[in-house]
Amino acid sequence: DSGVTQTPKHLITATGQRVTLRCSPRSGDLSVYWYQQSLDQGLQFLIQYYNGEERAKGNILERFSAQQFPDLHSELNLSSLELGDSALYFCASSVGSAGRDEKLFFGSGTQLSVL
Amino acid sequence: GQNIDQPTEMTATEGAIVQINCTYQTSGFNGLFWYQQHAGEAPTFLSYNVLDGLEEKGRFSSFLSRSKGYSYLLLKELQMKDSASYLCAVRDPSSASKIIFGSGTRLSIRP
Repeated sequence: DSGVTQTPKHLITATGQRVTLRCSPRSGDLSVYWYQQSLDQGLQFLIQYYNGEERAKGNILERFSAQQFPDLHSELNLSSLELGDSALYFCASSVGSAGRDEKLFFGSGTQLSVL
Repeated sequence: GQNIDQPTEMTATEGAIVQINCTYQTSGFNGLFWYQQHAGEAPTFLSYNVLDGLEEKGRFSSFLSRSKGYSYLLLKELQMKDSASYLCAVRDPSSASKIIFGSGTRLSIRP
């Protein structure tokens, strides 16, 4: 158990809908990262927050948004869902933001299926 | 941006040794990570290299050559449970907060 909690584990929804994925980082970690992993694809970086502030952004679609709250949990909002958004969404946390040897601890992921 | 290359798939025999290679762009290098990911599960940290040379950790070792933009993960005494994807990752030179992963190498172990 990495200590990173993601909910829900599975989400099935229809095209055009909006969903919210939730992540609680490990105790003491200030950074939260979101990654998308499609079938047989690598981990695609979406966005990173550190202590409530956005620090880095990847190729995140405009239909997607995220935030990190004062209690350090984070939410990823996906709207106007399309079939291609079906993927495993991982949250990861680390203590700091860009420390060289800082490793990421991953949650178990949310499997999103858009039908 | 960063471009990371790894073989897509590899097969090895139980008890043997396998080497998984990874190449990356050298400009702005700031450390390289290896993660293991079993199918449908979360990636877990295996190793970190920032200086040239070999880092050994039990059955797993990781090597780095910064001048060549090259790393490998060496797995010894392979066990069936080592069947997994192995992901190479580096920090994006344009934004150190961003950790970029390769597509991963799917390793299958046969008895």
